[in-house]
Amino acid sequence: GDSVTQMEGPVTLSEEAFLTINCTYTATGYPSLFWYVQYPGEGLQLLLKATKADDKGSNKGFEATYRKETTSFHLEKGSVQVSDSAVYFCALRALYSSASKIIFGSGTRLSIRP
Amino acid sequence: ETGVTQTPRHLVMGMTNKKSLKCEQHLGHNAMYWYKQSAKKPLELMFVYSLEERVENNSVPSRFSPECPNSSHLFLHLHTLQPEDSALYLCASSPGTGGDEPQHFGDGTRLSIL
Repeated sequence: GDSVTQMEGPVTLSEEAFLTINCTYTATGYPSLFWYVQYPGEGLQLLLKATKADDKGSNKGFEATYRKETTSFHLEKGSVQVSDSAVYFCALRALYSSASKIIFGSGTRLSIRP
Repeated sequence: ETGVTQTPRHLVMGMTNKKSLKCEQHLGHNAMYWYKQSAKKPLELMFVYSLEERVENNSVPSRFSPECPNSSHLFLHLHTLQPEDSALYLCASSPGTGGDEPQHFGDGTRLSIL
């Protein structure tokens, strides 16, 4: 079945460091891919998405490129801030499936030191 | 402000109590969802409603009973819960259940079962 695997946390970085959170997926067909972020005490918020191969989603300095050949959607940011501390979820929705079939990864907790 | 409001934010209840969680969305969406978020586990989809009709129920125990009186409101009625039901319960909505529509989440209700 469809699945999402993301790197286990927690990830701890210093402010202004480069961030990569790995995400790989298994799916039939061509899924849409998402990154959600959950700040402390809040629900999930959509951070960015990509709907086809080679698309790059970007928002708030974060980027992720849909790589069909490696079935990956790694999240990157060039210079993290303390305010980026949160839990990040990679997710997919299989093409032609209902929106209810969004599959989430287990989340990666990111902590940024001042 | 995500447009999805959940109340209460925190709830502590005994195993014999009956309580309800409420979710309201102000986005004009037609689909609403309940998720359970437990520590160190992926998000678990519990129920999906589309145009007030339940379209998915992922083998959730009968002690959880959803209700969707209209497309803006979703309830989760709780009765005779177990300690393992302690978790963050997230409500989400989306314009429909098809397409590439991401889900908009509320901030969740933190439920603790004594």
